[in-house]
Amino acid sequence: GESVGLHLPTLSVQEGDNSIINCAYSNSASDYFIWYKQESGKGPQFIIDIRSNMDKRQGQRVTVLLNKTVKHLSLQIAATQPGDSAVYFCAESQTGANSKLTFGKGITLSVRP
Amino acid sequence: ETGVTQTPRHLVMGMTNKKSLKCEQHLGHNAMYWYKQSAKKPLELMFVYSLEERVENNSVPSRFSPECPNSSHLFLHLHTLQPEDSALYLCASSQAVRGDEQFFGPGTRLTVL
Repeated sequence: GESVGLHLPTLSVQEGDNSIINCAYSNSASDYFIWYKQESGKGPQFIIDIRSNMDKRQGQRVTVLLNKTVKHLSLQIAATQPGDSAVYFCAESQTGANSKLTFGKGITLSVRP
Repeated sequence: ETGVTQTPRHLVMGMTNKKSLKCEQHLGHNAMYWYKQSAKKPLELMFVYSLEERVENNSVPSRFSPECPNSSHLFLHLHTLQPEDSALYLCASSQAVRGDEQFFGPGTRLTVL
């Protein structure tokens, strides 16, 4: 079946450094991708999304890159802060009636002071 | 705050108990979802409601019974659960069931003894 996955279960970065979290997807028909952040004791919260007609989208300190050729998605966080410590999920879908998001397992980002 | 609330936040129950989880969304959305989140596993979609009609039931055991009395409220009725049902239960909503952004509640941490 189709799957969405993350390459590494944990990522440790120094405060102030840039973080890159990677995600692979296998459904070539997917046209919508989203990143969520889940802090301890909270539900997932939207970070940024991107549609397949784009290959890059920027938010505040975050950038999502989409490479449809190799079916790869990445989340870049600039100047990582302690508040960025959380579990990050990628998800994808083939948008349309009755379509749902398919989620990856999640990667834990730990920021060292 | 995402506009999706869940109660209770924590629940401990015995295998013979009957309890209910409640979700309410204040976003005017037409679709609501129940997910199960277990450690080191992707989010598992349990049920999907669109305009108060159930549109998906992902082979969930009958000891989980959803109810959607209106587009703002969603319940998950629990009875004769098993210890392996212990998990974080997340509610989400979206404008429609079409594979785009979902807004999550904080979840109910369920422990079955």
